[in-house]
Amino acid sequence: EAGVTQFPSHSVIEKGQTVTLRCDPISGHDNLYWYRRVMGKEIKFLLHFVKESKQDESGMPNNRFLAERTGGTYSTLKVQPAELEDSGVYFCASSQDRVGTLFYGYTFGSGTRLTVV
Amino acid sequence: AQSVTQPDIHITVSEGASLELRCNYSYGATPYLFWYVQSPGQGLQLLLKYFSGDTLVQGIKGFEAEFKRSQSSFNLRKPSVHWSDAAEYFCAVGPNRDDKIIFGKGTRLHILP
Repeated sequence: EAGVTQFPSHSVIEKGQTVTLRCDPISGHDNLYWYRRVMGKEIKFLLHFVKESKQDESGMPNNRFLAERTGGTYSTLKVQPAELEDSGVYFCASSQDRVGTLFYGYTFGSGTRLTVV
Repeated sequence: AQSVTQPDIHITVSEGASLELRCNYSYGATPYLFWYVQSPGQGLQLLLKYFSGDTLVQGIKGFEAEFKRSQSSFNLRKPSVHWSDAAEYFCAVGPNRDDKIIFGKGTRLHILP
């Protein structure tokens, strides 16, 4: 079974530019999560999709961040315009359902390292 | 509020030595506890998890962790570390009622040859 795939693996952009991160969850996983880790800080929750619906977006920093999940499959996270403080590693994770999360935890992708200069 | 504390930011041990990484949590109900590892250039990999039952849980790569409710701790241990264990380790608790898993800040493990 393919794992959670994220791309790009690295992105370096200038302040004010736009970047779009993509996550392909494990096939059949209804739950998709975005997390972010700023250097030296904890991994923080951004938002949670259940299929194509946003279940919880309480962790989104501000309206420069827009997440979508087309047809309940892959998800994109767009940052527009990017600011210096947006630099960090963006992780995507998926799980089949809540019971799956309890038993298996999340399955994480390898992350996208975003650097805003 | 739910939280996870990993008091050690960096730990250095010699190859072959024993290891213990500390984790304390704050959680309103019976916690579900996880340890994840991130090796350089890799994603987060689940090492082990605790839900109920035996408080000593075994994981992959020779790791184990012990849940101590009285101390609100879930420390990770390995009797003899290998150079390949150099990585960053994250303790996590959840999911909470919003289905979030809460992570600690991580402990970076360095291995001396």
